[in-house]
Amino acid sequence: NAGVTQTPKFRVLKTGQSMTLLCAQDMNHEYMYWYRQDPGMGLRLIHYSVGEGTTAKGEVPDGYNVSRLKKQNFLLGLESAAPSQTSVYFCASSYAGGPGGELFFGEGSRLTVL
Amino acid sequence: GEDVEQSLFLSVREGDSSVINCTYTDSSSTYLYWYKQEPGAGLQLLTYIFSNMDMKQDQRLTVLLNKKDKHLSLRIADTQTGDSAIYFCAEGFGYSTLTFGKGTMLLVSP
Repeated sequence: NAGVTQTPKFRVLKTGQSMTLLCAQDMNHEYMYWYRQDPGMGLRLIHYSVGEGTTAKGEVPDGYNVSRLKKQNFLLGLESAAPSQTSVYFCASSYAGGPGGELFFGEGSRLTVL
Repeated sequence: GEDVEQSLFLSVREGDSSVINCTYTDSSSTYLYWYKQEPGAGLQLLTYIFSNMDMKQDQRLTVLLNKKDKHLSLRIADTQTGDSAIYFCAEGFGYSTLTFGKGTMLLVSP
């Protein structure tokens, strides 16, 4: 019973490098989300998707891109990493919005940009 | 804009009750949530309440909602050391995304 799986769990990048975080869910959920968590800032929504082939911007989308080519996967890309993108990234999925759409979170990916 | 405020830290002794408070600004919010994050893990839904309810009880958890003051609280009875975690309040409207507070760290001492 995997739920939401994020890879990699840890990564160190140099400024300007690119990388992709992968999120996979096996619950057939329609909605998927990428959040970042920073000390004193709580959780902030980066991008989200309400179905295969769709993406939408959240609160802090700049510097990130996403793709949802398959329903079960949601990719978060950093084209040119900056130290300000050092954070813990969480992927979440839900069947729907509202109370029926409980968010299921992955364990997080800790990214450090030097 | 939407904003959810929480106190950052709460310390209690094992066996005491814990009360974590949250205020929100979006009066159109229809659902309010409490999520729990244990160290090194993602968030897990604890409970939620519809905006047309005043109270919801679930075993040791009691959620109180004061719509007039836009105030939400989570009471944990007989707090245990295993309840030590970060608790997030969140609000949502319809099928929109959720807005989370910054989280309250609960420390339970023996």
